[in-house]
Amino acid sequence: KNQVEQSPQSLIILEGKNCTLQCNYTVSPFSNLRWYKQDTGRGPVSLTIMTFSENTKSNGRYTATLDADTKQSSLHITASQLSDSASYICVVTTNTGNQFYFGTGTSLTVIP
Amino acid sequence: NAGVMQNPRHLVRRRGQEARLRCSPMKGHSHVYWYRQLPEEGLKFMVYLQKENIIDESGMPKERFSAEFPKEGPSILRIQQVVRGDSAAYFCASSPILGDTQYFGPGTRLTVL
Repeated sequence: KNQVEQSPQSLIILEGKNCTLQCNYTVSPFSNLRWYKQDTGRGPVSLTIMTFSENTKSNGRYTATLDADTKQSSLHITASQLSDSASYICVVTTNTGNQFYFGTGTSLTVIP
Repeated sequence: NAGVMQNPRHLVRRRGQEARLRCSPMKGHSHVYWYRQLPEEGLKFMVYLQKENIIDESGMPKERFSAEFPKEGPSILRIQQVVRGDSAAYFCASSPILGDTQYFGPGTRLTVL
């Protein structure tokens, strides 16, 4: 069964600290994996996209990693800011292109 | 280039009424996706359309729900005879080509009284 699981479900960290969010998937055949950030009351916004051959990709303070062998991805946020408070969603796409599997997200709260 | 636009942003309906949600994709995007997000839950895929065609509707309930993406105009998600369980945020996303990054709209929050 194709599934995407994220952990932790929620996380609270102090401003300025780093954190890592996890995404494990069983989706096959794999095409790519995306991380989205969804602010409360808004639509998701793409942060990174990773294909099978990519191990790591950065977007500012966000760094995503992908281990296609173990089917795991992580999103690392450095020097967190209050504006990082949001839900972070992992999405895996199959190579047919039109099958998208969403994780339930990790709710991150950054406190001053 | 305006982003994905959805309207209305908020919609209130009484049980049994019809709800029509509109989505205008980004300019140049011919692929539209609809998702539903229940409170405290993740996004759930409903339907994927390409101009005038429904490509994948595997996530859409068989009854009361329908979607279209006409040659001209926005994509419409239509919910007939709404029930309280239909209360949710409905997001639309668009992409220029199949499998490419999806750009999401701000969502329509449907409340059924």
